[in-house]
Amino acid sequence: DQQVKQNSPSLSVQEGRISILNCDYTNSMFDYFLWYKKYPAEGPTFLISISSIKDKNEDGRFTVFLNKSAKHLSLHIVPSQPGDSAVYFCAATKANQAGTALIFGKGTTLSVSS
Amino acid sequence: SAVISQKPSRDICQRGTSLTIQCQVDSQVTMMFWYRQQPGQSLTLIATANQGSEATYESGFVIDKFPISRPNLTFSTLTVSNMSPEDSSIYLCSVDVGGTEAFFGQGTRLTVV
Repeated sequence: DQQVKQNSPSLSVQEGRISILNCDYTNSMFDYFLWYKKYPAEGPTFLISISSIKDKNEDGRFTVFLNKSAKHLSLHIVPSQPGDSAVYFCAATKANQAGTALIFGKGTTLSVSS
Repeated sequence: SAVISQKPSRDICQRGTSLTIQCQVDSQVTMMFWYRQQPGQSLTLIATANQGSEATYESGFVIDKFPISRPNLTFSTLTVSNMSPEDSSIYLCSVDVGGTEAFFGQGTRLTVV
């Protein structure tokens, strides 16, 4: 049973518009959530994270929202750029437990057209 | 942060053979993780490697199939043994820095024919 779900395998957005990527989780023990971006032939790179004590974290064009009651988080990219085209993975873990691995969703492929 | 070098970046192997993937980190880390990403699937944890002790394997993964070495705090290897086409995947090593953010190598794309 998947503990982290990304139900949209793909998303297409025009340059300059908002991209919204969604993620749901089932394990209420998760208290730290991360988004990773992956280009072909490269490993995932960390994008942004959020602790369960917050409901929003912003870093430049990227904002992550967390709704704990719904066990749902989303990544907003505004404005979207063609270079944002990649696979985005949502991941969850228990914070500050060194050695606790991340649990990943299947990823959403974002395509931003110019 | 951490810089992770993983090699080979890709390989095509005959079924029944074994491939060893190397992962080198530019700093000392306690835990290293090995993941597998099958086509269209999420990154799935294979095992956690702690220096000086045996690796801890996740359900569905066994040491005979995926032996792991962790000889020091900056290096680890994962061997995919007796390969079959079902082992065709991307294999990634990762390190945990500070208990939250994880850094990844560039991955090894393995094709078994």
